Amino acid sequence: DAKTTQPTSMDCAEGRAANLPCNHSTISGNEYVYWYRQIHSQGPQYIIHGLKNNETNEMASLIITEDRKSSTLILPHATLRDTAVYYCIVSGGSYIPTFGRGTSLIVHP
Amino acid sequence: DTEVTQTPKHLVMGMTNKKSLKCEQHMGHRAMYWYKQKAKKPPELMFVYSYEKLSINESVPSRFSPECPNSSLLNLHLHALQPEDSALYLCASSPRPDTTRTREQYFGPGTRLTVT
Repeated sequence: DAKTTQPTSMDCAEGRAANLPCNHSTISGNEYVYWYRQIHSQGPQYIIHGLKNNETNEMASLIITEDRKSSTLILPHATLRDTAVYYCIVSGGSYIPTFGRGTSLIVHP
Repeated sequence: DTEVTQTPKHLVMGMTNKKSLKCEQHMGHRAMYWYKQKAKKPPELMFVYSYEKLSINESVPSRFSPECPNSSLLNLHLHALQPEDSALYLCASSPRPDTTRTREQYFGPGTRLTVT
């Protein structure tokens, strides 16, 4: 499965959009991009996934570039409860879901 | 029912004890997973069960023994653990492991294990 690269940390003002990038330059044709988040001391929470089209659900939007080498998770109106570590995972043929170090997002008042 | 439950929430055990962690889901998911997470680190995959069969074992020591009695239940049997095995143990499930588009994982809250 393709490896991913994410910034270590980001911060965002409450009420503003949080845009979390992920690089997956070695992604192959049938691999999906999955996003999760983990709030302190809780189990990770599934957010959204996609293949090549942009996706939106009640939690977030996922924008995947045309070449599929990177993606951005967008939280449109961040709240303090969105403070968490966000993980981007690519799932493909070998199917060993591997969590990288993720991005620690801090939403401040 | 859209959740994964794990029991117990907390467990303290001595190095000579035998204990078990339990995980349950009633979403009809056909893949289940065990992860280990140390403080300030990402979850590390331990085992994957696909259609009730063990499909991935990430070189986990034999003192950890997984069991999947049926499609809803996953156990992790613990024996002769070491203090360094103290961690948060997470269980997850996903709808179908055989297609890349149906592998979203739903996690339980975890069992906080302390080995003394």
